[in-house]
Amino acid sequence: GAGVSQTPSNKVTEKGKYVELRCDPISGHTALYWYRQSLGQGPEFLIYFQGTGAADDSGLPNDRFFAVRPEGSVSTLKIQRTERGDSAVYLCASSLGPGQETQYFGPGTRLLVL
Amino acid sequence: AQSVTQLGSHVSVSEGALVLLRCNYSSSVPPYLFWYVQYPNQGLQLLLKYTSAATLVKGINGFEAEFKKSETSFHLTKPSAHMSDAAEYFCAVSAATGNQFYFGTGTSLTVIP
Repeated sequence: GAGVSQTPSNKVTEKGKYVELRCDPISGHTALYWYRQSLGQGPEFLIYFQGTGAADDSGLPNDRFFAVRPEGSVSTLKIQRTERGDSAVYLCASSLGPGQETQYFGPGTRLLVL
Repeated sequence: AQSVTQLGSHVSVSEGALVLLRCNYSSSVPPYLFWYVQYPNQGLQLLLKYTSAATLVKGINGFEAEFKKSETSFHLTKPSAHMSDAAEYFCAVSAATGNQFYFGTGTSLTVIP
């Protein structure tokens, strides 16, 4: 079956602009996660959705970052007033649930802020 | 709280030699442990996971890992390296009640012909 997909695969923007990154999880997966991976680092947790609600947003770095999942499937990560430090690969993962359930990752969106 | 330490950011082995990638964890509750592999320009792919059943876990592509509670370790091994094993490997920990994975900084494996 289809895996997790993310669009766009690459995004170049200018400092101060607004960007949206999209994630399509595996069908039937109720849990959805966003991570950020900087060069040479492991993925860092941003936010977790269980269904439509953000169950844990403790990893969002500041209020410029926001994510939604209005129908419990597709999710959009939104970044306002982008900064050069936001440049990273943004990964989305989905799973049947939290804890021991395997998280299946998408290929990521590579964001470059100039 | 959970965390993971991967010793050795770069490991080189000869083709056919043993692969050993180290992972130590810290967890205040019984952990679930995972190894993921990331090939260039691809997403993370699960190699194997430990979820409190057998302590020796076998994964895909001939990899296995052993959970050692006394050593708080979950090292990844493969008896004989293949050129196709060259990739970045990440160890991760989560808790039964946790919502997120905590990843290590990764180990880049190079296989020398």
